[in-house]
Amino acid sequence: ETGVTQTPRHLVMGMTNKKSLKCEQHLGHNAMYWYKQSAKKPLELMFVYNFKEQTENNSVPSRFSPECPNSSHLFLHLHTLQPEDSALYLCASSQDKGLYGYTFGSGTRLTVV
Amino acid sequence: AQTVTQSQPEMSVQEAETVTLSCTYDTSESDYYLFWYKQPPSRQMILVIRQEAYKQQNATENRFSVNFQKAAKSFSLKISDSQLGDAAMYFCAYRTGANSKLTFGKGITLSVRP
Repeated sequence: ETGVTQTPRHLVMGMTNKKSLKCEQHLGHNAMYWYKQSAKKPLELMFVYNFKEQTENNSVPSRFSPECPNSSHLFLHLHTLQPEDSALYLCASSQDKGLYGYTFGSGTRLTVV
Repeated sequence: AQTVTQSQPEMSVQEAETVTLSCTYDTSESDYYLFWYKQPPSRQMILVIRQEAYKQQNATENRFSVNFQKAAKSFSLKISDSQLGDAAMYFCAYRTGANSKLTFGKGITLSVRP
């Protein structure tokens, strides 16, 4: 365990379902991130939160809705997804600046059927 | 915009041998940091090594070292005495000193032959 916990590990959902991914860290970090990792593509940054405020949204479709109630928790709410949204969704946290990089969770493998 | 390029999709190395993974980046910033991450089949992204751009000395972490060529914007990772557990995807990444956003390359799949 790295200190960043993601649940669930695997998720299969239909295109009409609503589900949520959860990320939790108790490392004292004040920035949290959602990344999408698809096969043979670079990791795509989706959202950035600094001190609970969203500071970046990389043109993510509205069917993905993030929520950051506090600095330790980050959610990604999913609704009416498409099969091409199937991917590994990685959460990470960090100090807002500096050289220490990110601490990642193990990801949620999402399959949309 | 900053970009990170890993042009080799796959590499293979014999156990106990040395392998070098390439990475180049493009930036107009002077204050930035570079990283190599490892992602084994367990999917956990693990930080392998990091380098501050203002430091001329190449970073080393046990069997892992980098060759940082700032003028050429090159940041390669050398793995010495390769072990079976080194088999994974390796990602090169960049962030500026002023921004928390981390930009990744496409990654390279490293296999280790016993």
